Amino acid sequence: KAGVTQTPRYLIKTRGQQVTLSCSPISGHRSVSWYQQTPGQGLQFLFEYFSETQRNKGNFPGRFSGRQFSNSRSEMNVSTLELGDSALYLCASSLFGTDFYGYTFGSGTRLTVV
Amino acid sequence: DAKTTQPPSMDCAEGRAANLPCNHSTISGNEYVYWYRQIHSQGPQYIIHGLKNNETNEMASLIITEDRKSSTLILPHATLRDTAVYYCIVRVGTSGSRLTFGEGTQLTVNP
Repeated sequence: KAGVTQTPRYLIKTRGQQVTLSCSPISGHRSVSWYQQTPGQGLQFLFEYFSETQRNKGNFPGRFSGRQFSNSRSEMNVSTLELGDSALYLCASSLFGTDFYGYTFGSGTRLTVV
Repeated sequence: DAKTTQPPSMDCAEGRAANLPCNHSTISGNEYVYWYRQIHSQGPQYIIHGLKNNETNEMASLIITEDRKSSTLILPHATLRDTAVYYCIVRVGTSGSRLTFGEGTQLTVNP
């Protein structure tokens, strides 16, 4: 089966700009979770969407937002980019969101803010 | 979620068994132990999970102590491709859809 697809793979943005990242889940999966990975903080949970509703949110500022479409594809947006937003952004899809054994992660989008 | 403690790094010879320990002394009765790994520059990959019985699948075995305060992930015949960061996570599904990753163990398999 096709895996989780994240686009783009790499992105370079300037401080103050905004960025939108995309995640296409495995067919049939209704939950999409987003994680940020940095060398200093490790993997941190951003938010989870299930059937177009944000169901769970991590401890990130409001500049980080997301949405999910009716086909379960999800986007996350970061506005007013800061240097510290440079990270690998990963999404994971699953059937229910709480079936952690069924999580499939994408390869991520590496965002560099200059 | 129960806190987990893992050694920061381990080495293993190719072809030998890799035994990765995890301490979760505050685990509660309904929390599962999950293991994921992350190969460099890729997303984490689910390996195995268990509640109290030992589990085995095509990738690995999971041994959970009787008191459930610790567990060991066993890769029976490690290969170079098993070099990765291994994360032990304790979680119960009813407390939401968030995985909390610690620092994990960097396993290096040497030829």
